[in-house]
Amino acid sequence: EPEVTQTPSHQVTQMGQEVILRCVPISNHLYFYWYRQILGQKVEFLVSFYNNEISEKSEIFDDQFSVERPDGSNFTLKIRSTKLEDSAMYFCASSGQFTEAFFGQGTRLTVV
Amino acid sequence: DQQVKQNSPSLSVQEGRISILNCDYTNSMFDYFLWYKKYPAEGPTFLISISSIKDKNEDGRFTVFLNKSAKHLSLHIVPSQPGDSAVYFCAARRAGTDKLIFGTGTRLQVFP
Repeated sequence: EPEVTQTPSHQVTQMGQEVILRCVPISNHLYFYWYRQILGQKVEFLVSFYNNEISEKSEIFDDQFSVERPDGSNFTLKIRSTKLEDSAMYFCASSGQFTEAFFGQGTRLTVV
Repeated sequence: DQQVKQNSPSLSVQEGRISILNCDYTNSMFDYFLWYKKYPAEGPTFLISISSIKDKNEDGRFTVFLNKSAKHLSLHIVPSQPGDSAVYFCAARRAGTDKLIFGTGTRLQVFP
C-alpha cells in the first residue's frame, strides 16, 4: 500500500539553527500539506501546496517557514531560525483530487 | 480555534460492545468531515469520511453519522476490538479550501 514517508523520524536542533524536514508524498497525489502537533495539543494545519505553489497557509506559517518541492518526489519544510516553541511533531500529508489526506508517520522536532 | 470540538478526552469500552465517539462543529461552511485514528509515535490514519450531503456513511465496523442541524457527527465502532484502542480525531474541511481543522481527539480504550 502506498504511503507518505518522512525523514528523519527525530531531529534535535539548537535554537536559531535552520532545519529541513523531508517528505516523500504518495506518487500520484497532487496536493501536499504540512501539519504539526505540539505535545498535548491538537493537530494544526500549517500549509498546503499545489501545482508548485502554496495554495493556503495558516497564521503559524510565518516568514521563518518555507516549503519546496525540489524534484518530482520530495516535499520539504524548512524552518530558518528555530525557536523553542517550534518543538512539535511535524506531519506531512498528501492527497489526490477530492480524496482524503494520507499522513506520514511524523518527524519529532526538538529545539534545545 | 475551537471550530471542531471533541468534548470527551477519553472513552473506555468493553470488547465486543459499541464505541461511540462524538464531535461537534461550529462552522456551517464545513462540507466534508473525516475521522482519523492515531497510535502513539505515528501519523493520523484515515478511517472514514462523510460529505455534508449525506447523513450516514458505513465502512465495515465503522459508521459515521452526520446531523447538520445540530452540527454534530459521531463515529460508531461495532463491535469494538482491543486493536481499536487509539486516539480518534474528528476533522472538518470547509468548501473551497484544502486544510483540515482537527478536534482535540478522544482516547479510546477497548478492554477485554
